[in-house]
Amino acid sequence: QVQLQESGPGLVKPSETLSLTCTVSGGSVSSDNYYWTWIRQPPGKGLEWIGYIFHSGSTNYNPSLKSRVTISVDTSKKQFSLKLSSMTAADTAVYYCARRIAATEGEAFDIWGQGTMVTVSS
Amino acid sequence: AIQMTQSPSSLSASVGDRVTITCRASQGIRNDLGWYQQRPGTAPKLLIYAASSLQSGVPSRFSGSGSGTDFTLTISSLQPEDVATYYCLQDYNYPLTFGGGTKVEIK
Repeated sequence: QVQLQESGPGLVKPSETLSLTCTVSGGSVSSDNYYWTWIRQPPGKGLEWIGYIFHSGSTNYNPSLKSRVTISVDTSKKQFSLKLSSMTAADTAVYYCARRIAATEGEAFDIWGQGTMVTVSS
Repeated sequence: AIQMTQSPSSLSASVGDRVTITCRASQGIRNDLGWYQQRPGTAPKLLIYAASSLQSGVPSRFSGSGSGTDFTLTISSLQPEDVATYYCLQDYNYPLTFGGGTKVEIK
């Protein structure tokens, strides 16, 4: 059974860069059917799609964050990572990694990590 | 970006009630829509994809319908474990966008 687990600091200072890693267990990141995605949720608010990476390294980012976001993948370690620069209080959120499956029947986020809370504060 | 508007933002219903949540897209999205359940303190969980396809393992009391701009999630008989916030997500184009959520409580 495929599982995702986020890891990284829970506290980041303003203007610094957030670095999070998602480790995939029980499966491969190299399938052509999956897009490896980051999503975030500010406290008490809704969900925001940040972006995805394909195993080949191709990416797609939310235009609202594009200038600050980098997503990368390490297929040998079965990990993908998020970097978000110039952090502010508005970036305080629970950050989720998720697997997006692309099948003939449709696409969906079928597996999610448990999420990791990131607080931006000095 | 496509705007997704959910209604109501919250509702309270009795166990056994039929519950309906709607989601409207700001432009046509064919049937490229999913529904997700988020119980308090947990990650979202996929319920429905492609507007009406039930994800494996999801109880049959959940169903989805709609196409184009108007979509519906129905819980045919509300159960205590259905207390959660429900989100729609458009898969039609990028950036992917979620609805604002509907919080479901037991009366």
